[in-house]
Amino acid sequence: QSALTQPASVSGSPGQSITISCTGTSTDVGGYNYVSWYQKHPGKAPKLVIYDVSNRPSGVSNRFSGSKSGNTASLTISGLQGEDEADYYCSSYTGSSTLVFGGGTKVTVL
Amino acid sequence: EVQLVESGGGLVQPGGSLRLSCAASGFNFNIYGMSWVRQAPGKGLEWVSVISESGDDTFYANSVLGRFTLSRDNSKNTLYLQINSLRAEDTAIYYCAKKGLSSSWLWVYDYWGQGTLVTVSS
Repeated sequence: QSALTQPASVSGSPGQSITISCTGTSTDVGGYNYVSWYQKHPGKAPKLVIYDVSNRPSGVSNRFSGSKSGNTASLTISGLQGEDEADYYCSSYTGSSTLVFGGGTKVTVL
Repeated sequence: EVQLVESGGGLVQPGGSLRLSCAASGFNFNIYGMSWVRQAPGKGLEWVSVISESGDDTFYANSVLGRFTLSRDNSKNTLYLQINSLRAEDTAIYYCAKKGLSSSWLWVYDYWGQGTLVTVSS
């Protein structure tokens, strides 16, 4: 159960778009459409922002979008805002009845 | 309003045991899978375990297999995690989480508690 690979940090200016990648293998990200993304602010509980690759839960801003190509999933945040500054984690079902998270990406709003 | 409140964390010596609890309210507990996810200090999220809505199926990360036991009492709307043979690397905030809307069975979590801290140290 190796962690999915995410960039350690991504930054952007307010109003810009950023994309966070999440790379796995054919036995997790590439094998199932069960990729989720979570936003986590320090000291707070994680918040689900994308599930099943590209679905947004009710109440989550449409500035958040997800996609997948092969073994790599991506989270795009458009119209970057200060409140988006947080850590972001991807997760994927692995096919062996387990879940694996990515190492996390720190998003900085410049 | 969905609420998940964890308890039972604390300081324990290596080799010791703890039982974590997660009290759920605001939703029909017995029709949702539930999970535990942990975060070690300065580290990322790590999935620990999940249990089906009935409690008949449980799954564990390799790192805790054989040492952790997940259970639930649907009559009390409460989730439990029995953790034995604790190691320093089990030190983390432990979050319980509710299975969310998804075509997957148990693998997406839409509500999370605030967590309970487990510290393993002599």
